[in-house]
Amino acid sequence: GESVGLHLPTLSVQEGDNSIINCAYSNSASDYFIWYKQESGKGPQFIIDIRSNMDKRQGQRVTVLLNKTVKHLSLQIAATQPGDSAVYFCAENKWNTGFQKLVFGTGTRLLVSP
Amino acid sequence: EAGVAQSPRYKIIEKRQSVAFWCNPISGHATLYWYQQILGQGPKLLIQFQNNGVVDDSQLPKDRFSAERLKGVDSTLKIQPAKLEDSAVYLCASSLQAEVSYEQYFGPGTRLTVT
Repeated sequence: GESVGLHLPTLSVQEGDNSIINCAYSNSASDYFIWYKQESGKGPQFIIDIRSNMDKRQGQRVTVLLNKTVKHLSLQIAATQPGDSAVYFCAENKWNTGFQKLVFGTGTRLLVSP
Repeated sequence: EAGVAQSPRYKIIEKRQSVAFWCNPISGHATLYWYQQILGQGPKLLIQFQNNGVVDDSQLPKDRFSAERLKGVDSTLKIQPAKLEDSAVYLCASSLQAEVSYEQYFGPGTRLTVT
């Protein structure tokens, strides 16, 4: 079936390094993608989104890249900080009877060492 | 702007007991979602409301789970009777309008432990 998945379950980086978290999706009709950050004991927090008519979108210290040819999504975090330690989920929008439905991947845990 | 509110934050019950969770979405958000997040997994949609109508409940175990959104604002999710495998975090989210692609805002969740 259609699914969203991540390549690496855990990513460990040093403070100040750049982090790249990857995500593969299988539904070529998906038109909207979101990256969420989830800290322990909290709900997912929106980081950045991108629509399928874009290849790249930048936020503050974060960049999302979308490669529709290979159905791949990545989240780049510049100058990673200890506060970035969390689980990151990509989510793919599937339209269900005219309404948005997000399908979440399993998640990647980012560990940032000082 | 106030975020999505959920209560209680934690709940421990024995199997076969019943439990209810409450959610208050962001003011003005027409769409409300309940997700189940099992440890180590991404959130899984249980039910989606548009105002006070159900849009999608295809993954809701209807023999034991029920949800309602009276008056199109607050919502409650009930489990009766609970099973061990229901142990999870139950997340509520809301969005402005689900007919277009809008960001979903999540509450802090309710962590349910069934013993």
